[in-house]
Amino acid sequence: DAMVIQNPRYQVTQFGKPVTLSCSQTLNHNVMYWYQQKSSQAPKLLFHYYDKDFNNEADTPDNFQSRRPNTSFCFLDIRSPGLGDAAMYLCATSPRVQETQYFGPGTRLLVL
Amino acid sequence: QKEVEQDPGPLSVPEGAIVSLNCTYSNSAFQYFMWYRQYSRKGPELLMYTYSSGNKEDGRFTAQVDKSSKYISLFIRDSQPSDSATYLCAIPNQAGTALIFGKGTTLSVSS
Repeated sequence: DAMVIQNPRYQVTQFGKPVTLSCSQTLNHNVMYWYQQKSSQAPKLLFHYYDKDFNNEADTPDNFQSRRPNTSFCFLDIRSPGLGDAAMYLCATSPRVQETQYFGPGTRLLVL
Repeated sequence: QKEVEQDPGPLSVPEGAIVSLNCTYSNSAFQYFMWYRQYSRKGPELLMYTYSSGNKEDGRFTAQVDKSSKYISLFIRDSQPSDSATYLCAIPNQAGTALIFGKGTTLSVSS
């Protein structure tokens, strides 16, 4: 089945220790998104790629970076995680912008 | 005023009840409306989407859009315990580059 896969499902890191979250998709969609969702809050868009074009949301902290080496994979790098970065990180894809987004299961990040 | 407002609940109903979930939005230019369901510790999954005013039905689910009031609703008929989840309304921004989510309404259906 075509899908959006996120690894790992759970990630524990230490305060200040860089961490990378992974997303892959078999849908061959052009657009990939990263959202941050804190407990009982709506998902908040961090950035998205349209093909190789990177689009950062204005209020995304510099601590968050992303890479998309090819159509299938997209990575979220958190350079120096703080306690406030503990959240669920959701990857989503869509064929084009303005089209329905399909979400992966999320990676729950815990910062100690 | 936030762009999308949604009452977080929680909402508790007995099995078989009709459930009404609602969102309001502020920008009359929004054209496209979606409902996602999110089970605990899982990613959101698309339930329904609609482009226009009126009703759209899919099984036990009906999505309703009233553009004049800037109000969207999701109705669940014959609710089941498996419907227990958080329901998020989502509207693409005008550029179509992001989904603006409501905070989600947590629904619990008891058997």
